[in-house]
Amino acid sequence: DVKVTQSSRYLVKRTGEKVFLECVQDMDHENMFWYRQDPGLGLRLIYFSYDVKMKEKGDIPEGYSVSREKKERFSLILESASTNQTSMYLCASRVGYGYTFGSGTRLTVV
Amino acid sequence: ELKVEQNPLFLSMQEGKNYTIYCNYSTTSDRLYWYRQDPGKSLESLFVLLSNGAVKQEGRLMASLDTKARLSTLHITAAVHDLSATYFCAVDMGNYKLTFGKGTLLTVNP
Repeated sequence: DVKVTQSSRYLVKRTGEKVFLECVQDMDHENMFWYRQDPGLGLRLIYFSYDVKMKEKGDIPEGYSVSREKKERFSLILESASTNQTSMYLCASRVGYGYTFGSGTRLTVV
Repeated sequence: ELKVEQNPLFLSMQEGKNYTIYCNYSTTSDRLYWYRQDPGKSLESLFVLLSNGAVKQEGRLMASLDTKARLSTLHITAAVHDLSATYFCAVDMGNYKLTFGKGTLLTVNP
């Protein structure tokens, strides 16, 4: 089974901090994704990557950037965290028609 | 812009009853996914529907896809408490983006 591992389950950061959320997959998938999940809004795509060093904006990229230096790792970066970025962040990888999601990182910005 | 609408958003059922969750989407697509999410957990893949008329069943859940009507249904038969969760549909436009509905919170009462 594919494993998608998010390094932190819970994070608490201060406003203005630079925050890194890490995601690693173990199956050599080319496509990786970062979603944000908020109550009543479902999941919204922030960024995705279809290959190493390749990235595309999703539906809500403002305030975020990403890095994909190696195929297995896709990082989400909050350049200057704000309270409205408090949310659950889910990473996913894809091959063919199958998506696998990580267990999520619940980020609180205070 | 693709819109994915689920209804109902909240569903309270009695054990043993049947019900259907609906997923409408606004743009032609022939790839639709259903996921389950338990509180605090990640998304678990239930069904992948890849063509018009596709029907898949697993236990008490059955999903179908009508691409002409842009409609998918998730039918629950003889609900049990263990089915209590949030259910999401998601549409894949083939452009690396998976667009989610807002989710249906299902509560099955004894």
